[in-house]
Amino acid sequence: KAGVTQTPRYLIKTRGQQVTLSCSPISGHRSVSWYQQTPGQGLQFLFEYFSETQRNKGNFPGRFSGRQFSNSRSEMNVSTLELGDSALYLCASSPDAGTGYNEQFFGPGTRLTVL
Amino acid sequence: AQKVTQAQTEISVVEKEDVTLDCVYETRDTTYYLFWYKQPPSGELVFLIRRNSFDEQNEISGRYSWNFQKSTSSFNFTITASQVVDSAVYFCALIFGNEKLTFGTGTRLTIIP
Repeated sequence: KAGVTQTPRYLIKTRGQQVTLSCSPISGHRSVSWYQQTPGQGLQFLFEYFSETQRNKGNFPGRFSGRQFSNSRSEMNVSTLELGDSALYLCASSPDAGTGYNEQFFGPGTRLTVL
Repeated sequence: AQKVTQAQTEISVVEKEDVTLDCVYETRDTTYYLFWYKQPPSGELVFLIRRNSFDEQNEISGRYSWNFQKSTSSFNFTITASQVVDSAVYFCALIFGNEKLTFGTGTRLTIIP
């Protein structure tokens, strides 16, 4: 079974631009969660999607948004990029809703650099 | 609010030594789940273990073992006879209710050959 895939793996943008990251979960998994990892703030939860609905959201500004498609693939978008958005963005999938009650499988991440 | 503390930022041990990574958590809920994840240099988080709050039995999986003690709100992870491949950042995490997964700040483990 293929694992979680994320595209692109690396991305360089400039301040003010917007970016879209993509995540394809493991086949059959319906829940997708996104996390931001930075040296200063560590791993922080962004949001979780289940069956195309956002179930849970972390403490991030509205510039961070996401969506999930009927095939469970998910995208996250960051608008008006700031230098502080430079991070590793990790996507995780699990069979059902609830980020804790099921094992989450993580993708390799997208490394975003904002110049 | 829930919180996970991994006081050890970095640990270095010589190969074949045993090493214990500490994790202390805070939560007011009686039902919760604890996790350990490994993040190798490739960046991908690898699931190691999930333990619910009602199961205080220690667990052993090969060279890995976990000690869960509710009395001290700790969920420590021990690697026996460490190997170079164990070098990674290890994260402890907590969730309860319908809340988001909360990670500790991680412990960078370096195994010296």
